Amino acid sequence: SQTIHQWPATLVQPVGSPLSLECTVEGTSNPNLYWYRQAAGRGLQLLFYSVGIGQISSEVPQNLSASRPQDRQFILSSKKLLLSDSGFYLCAWRFGRLATGELFFGEGSRLTVL
Amino acid sequence: GNSVTQMEGPVTLSEEAFLTINCTYTATGYPSLFWYVQYPGEGLQLLLKATKADDKGSNKGFEATYRKETTSFHLEKGSVQVSDSAVYFCALSSSGGGADGLTFGKGTHLIIQP
Repeated sequence: SQTIHQWPATLVQPVGSPLSLECTVEGTSNPNLYWYRQAAGRGLQLLFYSVGIGQISSEVPQNLSASRPQDRQFILSSKKLLLSDSGFYLCAWRFGRLATGELFFGEGSRLTVL
Repeated sequence: GNSVTQMEGPVTLSEEAFLTINCTYTATGYPSLFWYVQYPGEGLQLLLKATKADDKGSNKGFEATYRKETTSFHLEKGSVQVSDSAVYFCALSSSGGGADGLTFGKGTHLIIQP
């Protein structure tokens, strides 16, 4: 069976510090991978998605970036965090061949920028 | 573009009450429709889905029917429990074959009182 893990679960960072959130999927190959952000009262916002190694599509211009160095690894980064980057970040995957199928989510990472 | 509209709540019910959470959507073509549930501090879990008109998705006593004529996918449960307290998200996937994830509603916060 397939599993998804993301870490760290909780992070408190000062403004201007760097960020790295990591997500890995096990039990499948060539998944589509996604990063969403959930801010209080604002639902889910798609940040990035990837259909393959090194292929990143950005949905929202911001100071965040994403990378996919391996087939089942997806990393969300920032060089300098802003207060507005605080939120709950969710990684998700989908079977690559099912462009209309459901997403499977990780446990989430709570980021607080002070 | 695609969009999903759902009541945000909070919706407060007594245990064993009947639940309806409304969801309507705007999309081109024939999207697949989903309900996700999020418990406090956790990621999203797929609750049920429907992939074509008149399909009924069901799971754990919850059900929803894909109504193309009214562009709706309302979530229902006959008798709710305290453990059903959570945030519920309605979502749709593009029928155009794009890999850009799901479009989510803003979520409905459900509170069940004993």
